[in-house]
Amino acid sequence: EAGVAQSPRYKIIEKRQSVAFWCNPISGHATLYWYQQILGQGPKLLIQFQNNGVVDDSQLPKDRFSAERLKGVDSTLKIQPAKLEDSAVYLCASSLVGLAHNEQFFGPGTRLTVL
Amino acid sequence: ILNVEQSPQSLHVQEGDSTNFTCSFPSSNFYALHWYRWETAKSPEALFVMTLNGDEKKKGRISATLNTKEGYSYLYIKGSQPEDSATYLCASEKAAGNKLTFGGGTRVLVKP
Repeated sequence: EAGVAQSPRYKIIEKRQSVAFWCNPISGHATLYWYQQILGQGPKLLIQFQNNGVVDDSQLPKDRFSAERLKGVDSTLKIQPAKLEDSAVYLCASSLVGLAHNEQFFGPGTRLTVL
Repeated sequence: ILNVEQSPQSLHVQEGDSTNFTCSFPSSNFYALHWYRWETAKSPEALFVMTLNGDEKKKGRISATLNTKEGYSYLYIKGSQPEDSATYLCASEKAAGNKLTFGGGTRVLVKP
């Protein structure tokens, strides 16, 4: 079974530039998550989708971050414009619906450096 | 405890030694506690999902215990090997299917 795919793996940009990350979840997983993991901190949930609908985006900085999952499969996360404090690893995860526990499967992440 | 906290933030272990570290979480509205291992440049990998007070789970040389009444879990590594070097994350789940709240992780470096 293929895992969660993410690209790019690394990205370096200058502040005020735009950047986009892509995620392809495990086939059949209806729920998709984007996390931001800043060095020294735990992953923080930015947005959760179920199919193509948003379940939780309460911690997404909507003035600069956007995400979509138009066909309920893969997803993109965009930052426009980027700030220095956006330097982090962006993790995508997916899970099945209806399980007893919210076991999430993670991709390898995209490491973003904003200069 | 209001948030999920892990200690220590990092530790160095000599190869062959055993070690343990802590995850503290809010004991109210507890549903499940997840442990993940995250090796550099790889995907975080699920180790355990724990739900019952007093539960103990084992996977090879790694084991974990759970105390839901006082809100903590210990993860143990017996006879550490260099391949155990990773960041170990714990996450609290407050209801079935609810979002996971992660701790800051414990970064383990095993020295040969």
